[in-house]
Amino acid sequence: GIQVEQSPPDLILQEGANSTLRCNFSDSVNNLQWFHQNPWGQLINLFYIPSGTKQNGRLSATTVATERYSLLYISSSQTTDSGVYFCAVIAYNQGGKLIFGQGTELSVKP
Amino acid sequence: KAGVTQTPRYLIKTRGQQVTLSCSPISGHRSVSWYQQTPGQGLQFLFEYFSETQRNKGNFPGRFSGRQFSNSRSEMNVSTLELGDSALYLCASSLGAGGASGNTIYFGEGSWLTVV
Repeated sequence: GIQVEQSPPDLILQEGANSTLRCNFSDSVNNLQWFHQNPWGQLINLFYIPSGTKQNGRLSATTVATERYSLLYISSSQTTDSGVYFCAVIAYNQGGKLIFGQGTELSVKP
Repeated sequence: KAGVTQTPRYLIKTRGQQVTLSCSPISGHRSVSWYQQTPGQGLQFLFEYFSETQRNKGNFPGRFSGRQFSNSRSEMNVSTLELGDSALYLCASSLGAGGASGNTIYFGEGSWLTVV
């Protein structure tokens, strides 16, 4: 089945710094989403982005489907950005089965 | 509008017991899927329902089952609980069938299950 790899696994930043999280996937996808898991366990939807570029405030994401990777950019990081960021994909003909990467744990220090 | 609602949020069960978890999707959403999250295995797909039909099933034993009702609410059941079933169980909903173009998937807050 499709494989999803995220890097780096852990990231520590000072408040105000910028960061880039990467997601590589091994096959063509028709759904790619980025999530932020808050301390209470909920997965907060950040972007639906199977291709192209989107921006939402300090966050932006780019997916290059032909090269099978996606990037999540966080600018001017804040302590509230801390948590685990997941990339998840659905391969073609896999219905609604999201396959998740192992996540990037981000810690933003004041 | 209300998000995906899961109940109960926290529960403790004894080995051998069974548990039922409930999920109410976002109003108008017809697809519900379930995921298990553990520290060792990460987030893993359990099953997906659309219009009361199971469309997809993950690699879990038959002790894990689910169903969807005509109002799109879903329940999952785990019988004969084992210690390894301790996990966060997450429900997700989407407007159309999973995998459809433009189909954003939204998650609930999860149910934390501890098996002792």
